[in-house]
Amino acid sequence: NAGVMQNPRHLVRRRGQEARLRCSPMKGHSHVYWYRQLPEEGLKFMVYLQKENIIDESGMPKERFSAEFPKEGPSILRIQQVVRGDSAAYFCASSTDRSVNSPLHFGNGTRLTVT
Amino acid sequence: QKEVEQNSGPLSVPEGAIASLNCTYSDRVSQSFFWYRQYSGKSPELIMSIYSNGDKEDGRFTAQLNKASQYVSLLIRDSQPSDSATYLCAVSRQKVTFGTGTKLQVIP
Repeated sequence: NAGVMQNPRHLVRRRGQEARLRCSPMKGHSHVYWYRQLPEEGLKFMVYLQKENIIDESGMPKERFSAEFPKEGPSILRIQQVVRGDSAAYFCASSTDRSVNSPLHFGNGTRLTVT
Repeated sequence: QKEVEQNSGPLSVPEGAIASLNCTYSDRVSQSFFWYRQYSGKSPELIMSIYSNGDKEDGRFTAQLNKASQYVSLLIRDSQPSDSATYLCAVSRQKVTFGTGTKLQVIP
């Protein structure tokens, strides 16, 4: 199955630690999106990346959050000095290209719990 | 005004009935529209995409788009208990924006 792969599925961090979430897009997909979902809420856009390029980071908090999609390897969403409010499900999605007609295909998500 | 608005529900329909899910969007130049289904604790999965005004049918699902009214809907015919989930409307211009979803309950 060459779907979108996210790991880890579950991540527990203490306040102040760093969280690293990884996403490998579907084969043939070069565009990656990150979304955050709080319980009983919708998907909130965070960032849209292409290989080695951030296309839109308008949904990223100004501090502590960063994302990258290097030439080789998975996309990484990094949260520094986590706080309890960062606890959420983080979903990665990929698409084939920049066309607005390209639907997103989602990974299984990473459930982050900050204790 | 939210970019994509949906009634949160829950929408309850009896098994075998038609479920009608609605969505409005604020950006007039939005170009692509998608419906995703999300079961509790799972990731969203694509059900339908629609790009031009009118209806698009796929099995028991029909998506309807009216760009003049900035309105998109999803009809589910012969609703089954397995259709019980949250349905997310998504709108694309330069990035894909999701509504908060409508929770559908199909009562056996």
